[in-house]
Amino acid sequence: NAGVTQTPKFRVLKTGQSMTLLCAQDMNHEYMYWYRQDPGMGLRLIHYSVGEGTTAKGEVPDGYNVSRLKKQNFLLGLESAAPSQTSVYFCASRVAGAQETQYFGPGTRLLVL
Amino acid sequence: RKEVEQDPGPFNVPEGATVAFNCTYSNSASQSFFWYRQDCRKEPKLLMSVYSSGNEDGRFTAQLNRASQYISLLIRDSKLSDSATYLCVVNMGSGGFKTIFGAGTRLFVKA
Repeated sequence: NAGVTQTPKFRVLKTGQSMTLLCAQDMNHEYMYWYRQDPGMGLRLIHYSVGEGTTAKGEVPDGYNVSRLKKQNFLLGLESAAPSQTSVYFCASRVAGAQETQYFGPGTRLLVL
Repeated sequence: RKEVEQDPGPFNVPEGATVAFNCTYSNSASQSFFWYRQDCRKEPKLLMSVYSSGNEDGRFTAQLNRASQYISLLIRDSKLSDSATYLCVVNMGSGGFKTIFGAGTRLFVKA
């Protein structure tokens, strides 16, 4: 049982390049989330999904797209990377239900030059 | 106003001290509450859930005051290994799908 995994762990991009971050969970969780964390800012929700085939915008969705074609995977795409997207990206998942807690992946560190 | 607010600290305490953190939330319909711990350059991990009646887990005690909309975490007999950032977390929305994280309170425990 690997829990929540993220690929890649670290990436350097040039401005304007695109990339996809992959989040995978093997706990059969319904809900999945993408956050970014910047120094002193705390976690900010980018997009989330409450089930396969459904996605919704969070607090800071601009510049990102997501897809959840399979229940266990949640992809975060950057179509044209900008230096402002330099951050640590965390994926999380949890069971549906108000009392449930989130489980996080180890994070992806992205540097956009 | 932020939906979940915490004092960013840092709190600098000696080993063995008792330290308390508070957190306030703005949405009275919030459904569940948690404290997470985040170590430097690591992912957040659940420390404990917070129940209306208050709950304790070893040296850690969490309290919820729904009337005043605040949550607290008390750490007794602080250890060096308690040094971390503590995140206040609230679930809200239909089915509690929306999770809001506070920005965190930084704790340094010194020998």
